[in-house]
Amino acid sequence: EVAMTQSPATLSVSPGERATLSCRASQSVSSNLAWFQQKPGQAPRLLIYGASTRATGVPARFSGSGSGTEFTLTISSLQSEDFAVYFCQQYNDWTSFGQGTKLEIK
Amino acid sequence: QLQLQESGPGLVKPSETLSLTCTVSGDSISSTNYLWGWIRQPPGKGLEWIGNVFYGGTTYHNPSLKSRVTMSVDASRNQFSLKLTSVTAADTAVYYCARPRVVGYFDIWGRGTLVTVSS
Repeated sequence: EVAMTQSPATLSVSPGERATLSCRASQSVSSNLAWFQQKPGQAPRLLIYGASTRATGVPARFSGSGSGTEFTLTISSLQSEDFAVYFCQQYNDWTSFGQGTKLEIK
Repeated sequence: QLQLQESGPGLVKPSETLSLTCTVSGDSISSTNYLWGWIRQPPGKGLEWIGNVFYGGTTYHNPSLKSRVTMSVDASRNQFSLKLTSVTAADTAVYYCARPRVVGYFDIWGRGTLVTVSS
């Protein structure tokens, strides 16, 4: 199984600032990586697939980059509604998920 | 807009069978050859893929769950279901149904339902 490791576990950022979240795979997953946003009591929301393609309706402040084993989700200017848990999913070798990064208000 | 909703008992006794249903609304479960899937998240832990089921009935599941998993599609009710046998406390989790794209990422999720395994 491909192990996905996200860092940091918690990230404290002020509104308007940039947030950078990391996801690392234990082996190459090419560009077969997705990012999700999850808020309490809500269904997870797909943000990015193919490592860098924004899903329909996702604001341009969300961007994904990376390939192979190292991936980054960047939120360029944090809005109040962006504070949530973010997790990654690889779908190159079956599928597996990261443990999540909680993005909280500083 | 496609929506998914999980339903089923919130409490299951050890050694019994966990049964969940996912109701699809906003589209027909059989309108295209979609995949449907299940994922779970134990308290305080990461997400774990359980398995996927094709509309036609072919299934794929996480080998770690061995032969305890059964998944099926009921097109007449626009639902798909999950059965997990011989449950233990380790199966306590929030269970999500979701739609995986053919390439593998999940693009539509339900809100999840907590299932606790306890006597």
